[in-house]
Amino acid sequence: DIVMTQTPLSSPVTLGQPASISCRSSQSLVHSDGHTYLSWLQQRPGQPPRLLIHEISNRFSGVPDRFSGSGTGTDFTLNITRVEAEDVGVYFCMQATQFAYTFGQGTKLEIK
Amino acid sequence: DVELLESGGGLVQPGGSLRLSCAASGFKFRTQAMTWVRQAPGKGLEWVSSMSGSGRDSHYADSVKGRFTVARDNSKSILYLQMNNLRVEDTAVYYCAKLSAGYWGQGTLVAVSS
Repeated sequence: DIVMTQTPLSSPVTLGQPASISCRSSQSLVHSDGHTYLSWLQQRPGQPPRLLIHEISNRFSGVPDRFSGSGTGTDFTLNITRVEAEDVGVYFCMQATQFAYTFGQGTKLEIK
Repeated sequence: DVELLESGGGLVQPGGSLRLSCAASGFKFRTQAMTWVRQAPGKGLEWVSSMSGSGRDSHYADSVKGRFTVARDNSKSILYLQMNNLRVEDTAVYYCAKLSAGYWGQGTLVAVSS
């Protein structure tokens, strides 16, 4: 199975400041169809996960443009330009290039 | 609006069985691959199983292979997860999801305990 490794696991951030989360996969996530099925999910306390970014850098409908994704191959990053209070939660990367789909351990974003 | 509504969770003893259901609405269910993801209390997300839109193809995590069976009724827009020989470590909230479209249900809690 592809192992997804996120860093950091915890990220205390000051409101209005940027935040960045990294995700590394144990092998390339480029599918045979040419797409890279790497997504970022946000899970607020007590809520189901919510899709933020799909295929590395495509923001899902309704996601604020302060969220952006980048990367290629095995190294990916989620950036938040200016953290707001509603961004508190746990962020997961996920690969759907190959079964078994796998998730990163999660990064807890909290306000300092 | 898209809605995924899970049901069927509850408390069961080790070795017991449960069947989860996920009622879908608001999109063309029969053409969409669907997925079950679970989350143990205080833990991360774990992919459990996926099934193609036609129902012909299914995939399972090693942790549930041989015990869980995914199925779907496209005439009713319902996805199922039959869970047999349940273990304490299967305790989790089980989510139904259309991953590529970003649709997730609210989840249903399965607790396995004696």
